Amino acid sequence: GAVVSQHPSRVICKSGTSVKIECRSLDFQATTMFWYRQFPKQSLMLMATSNEGSKATYEQGVEKDKFLINHASLTLSTLTVTSAHPEDSSFYICSARDRGSGGALQQYFGPGTRLLVL
Amino acid sequence: GEDVEQSLFLSVREGDSSVINCTYTDSSSTYLYWYKQEPGAGLQLLTYIFSNMDMKQDQRLTVLLNKKDKHLSLRIADTQTGDSAIYFCAETWTGGFKTIFGAGTRLFVKA
Repeated sequence: GAVVSQHPSRVICKSGTSVKIECRSLDFQATTMFWYRQFPKQSLMLMATSNEGSKATYEQGVEKDKFLINHASLTLSTLTVTSAHPEDSSFYICSARDRGSGGALQQYFGPGTRLLVL
Repeated sequence: GEDVEQSLFLSVREGDSSVINCTYTDSSSTYLYWYKQEPGAGLQLLTYIFSNMDMKQDQRLTVLLNKKDKHLSLRIADTQTGDSAIYFCAETWTGGFKTIFGAGTRLFVKA
């Protein structure tokens, strides 16, 4: 089955530093990837939709200068949390749609990255 | 509108059936999904159903869709302790591109 990986799985950083999270589709091409944020005991909140070769589309209330998204290839999207602060601590999950899925709108999810900002 | 609602908690005994319910508000939804999330992990797609279907069965899982009431349910037969997790209902609608998730139902299976 389709596999999506994320790296790192866990990161702890100091306030003010930037953190990059990678999302890769391992065995399929993904023209579209999604970035979600999940707070403890809450649902997933869509942050942005990342399309290969074009600018990401951000959801209302998500700062595009704070959360930089780059979808450089059909298998890789990165999320950079710039000047991270403790309130950015969360579980970040990416997902990808299979380009060759024939119209099915199924997303494949990565295992998530837990970010803790001290 | 964009709203998916689920009950937050369900507790069952091992071997019993579990039924997790979900209501959605967008009548033009095309795909409806059930995902499972174990602690500290991403989401695992369990099953999905097209909006023109009433039922889908996959081994221990049965999905029922009542389009009139906009109600979706997931039944897990012979529930095992390994089924303990959070279950998310989600929908993607025609013409849209986003998937909207419910808050998740935490299933606790007692041995």
